[in-house]
Amino acid sequence: AQKITQTQPGMFVQEKEAVTLDCTYDTSDPSYGLFWYKQPSSGEMIFLIYQGSYDQQNATEGRYSLNFQKARKSANLVISASQLGDSAMYFCAMREVTQGAQKLVFGQGTRLTINP
Amino acid sequence: DAGVIQSPRHEVTEMGQEVTLRCKPISGHNSLFWYRQTMMRGLELLIYFNNNVPIDDSGMPEDRFSAKMPNASFSTLKIQPSEPRDSAVYFCASRGGALMNTEAFFGQGTRLTVV
Repeated sequence: AQKITQTQPGMFVQEKEAVTLDCTYDTSDPSYGLFWYKQPSSGEMIFLIYQGSYDQQNATEGRYSLNFQKARKSANLVISASQLGDSAMYFCAMREVTQGAQKLVFGQGTRLTINP
Repeated sequence: DAGVIQSPRHEVTEMGQEVTLRCKPISGHNSLFWYRQTMMRGLELLIYFNNNVPIDDSGMPEDRFSAKMPNASFSTLKIQPSEPRDSAVYFCASRGGALMNTEAFFGQGTRLTVV
């Protein structure tokens, strides 16, 4: 069963607009972590933001924020004031504990294109 | 720190040949992950190690794939024999510490083409 679901294969947004990238997850563990990574066309994976399952507040990092709705098992990434350089693939990932070690699994990704 | 180092960056090989991908994790990191990225299947977790021990290899597609981590500073992913459908970008990632909020750091990837 898919543990991380990103339902938007692609999104197109005008520069300077805010954009929300969806992510839902499935786990029965009470302790887990959620991550967002950016992959530009150059191919590297860049860590953006983290949300822990016990965190009371939504995580924020500069223009990135995470809309964490635990009961709905969603962790959407919000990018404010989008820029041309935000065009990239975005991956949601979940860390869960397996056999005492922490396993990181990714969703299928969303390709974001920022139009000038 | 130099980050996670993967070699080679690009590999082109003929079907049936053995391919070995290499990874040097960040010093001090105790977890290492191998991922495969394709257009069709996205980022798939192949195997991950904790303290050099393989914890979960359920993502390894077939017996043709094998991975080793002989010490804390080196890991290999081997495909023998290689097939065209193995063409993909293979990423190695490492992380350190026991806290849940520690992110994994990725290497630049190895782009494998099997012809």
